[in-house]
Amino acid sequence: DGGITQSPKYLFRKEGQNVTLSCEQNLNHDAMYWYRQDPGQGLRLIYYSQIVNDFQKGDIAEGYSVSREKKESFPLTVTSAQKNPTAFYLCASSVAGIQETQYFGPGTRLLVL
Amino acid sequence: EDQVTQSPEALRLQEGESSSLNCSYTVSGLRGLFWYRQDPGKGPEFLFTLYSAGEEKEKERLKATLTKKESFLHITAPKPEDSATYLCAGLSGGYQKVTFGIGTKLQVIP
Repeated sequence: DGGITQSPKYLFRKEGQNVTLSCEQNLNHDAMYWYRQDPGQGLRLIYYSQIVNDFQKGDIAEGYSVSREKKESFPLTVTSAQKNPTAFYLCASSVAGIQETQYFGPGTRLLVL
Repeated sequence: EDQVTQSPEALRLQEGESSSLNCSYTVSGLRGLFWYRQDPGKGPEFLFTLYSAGEEKEKERLKATLTKKESFLHITAPKPEDSATYLCAGLSGGYQKVTFGIGTKLQVIP
């Protein structure tokens, strides 16, 4: 089955800790994205990548970092600089760039201890 | 600034009671309008992409339409399994940016 997987489903972060969220896709899509979803707000773009070894900041990149070493993988690190990390994090991919339809993974819920 | 506004925020329907969800947008040079369905605690599931005013797309009990200012998601004879939050998003032309609305939470009562 082709699709997008995210792990873990739930993640707990302690104060001052960096945590990494995994996103893998086997759709052979070039572009991948990370969004954050908070209650009462629309999805907000954190980072996106259109090709391997290249990525761009979205609207709310501060406190986050990414890498794109493989086409299939786009991990997101939530650093200690992100003061309000509690949210539902969604990874998405599209065939090519941002103009294409995006398909989403199941999400990771990050909670702060 | 691009904006996508969805109404109502929440909608409660009896099974079989048809209705429409609204998505109004002010997106620079709109190049595409996307509809997604999201179940609680899950990622959005793609439903439709509309590209130009007058375009319509259907899938089972759902039909999406697009005008120059807004899009509608019509739900005909809904069933309880149609209960979900429906998101719309607009793709801007110049900045190649996707702006999401907050969503409409639909509950269909048996």
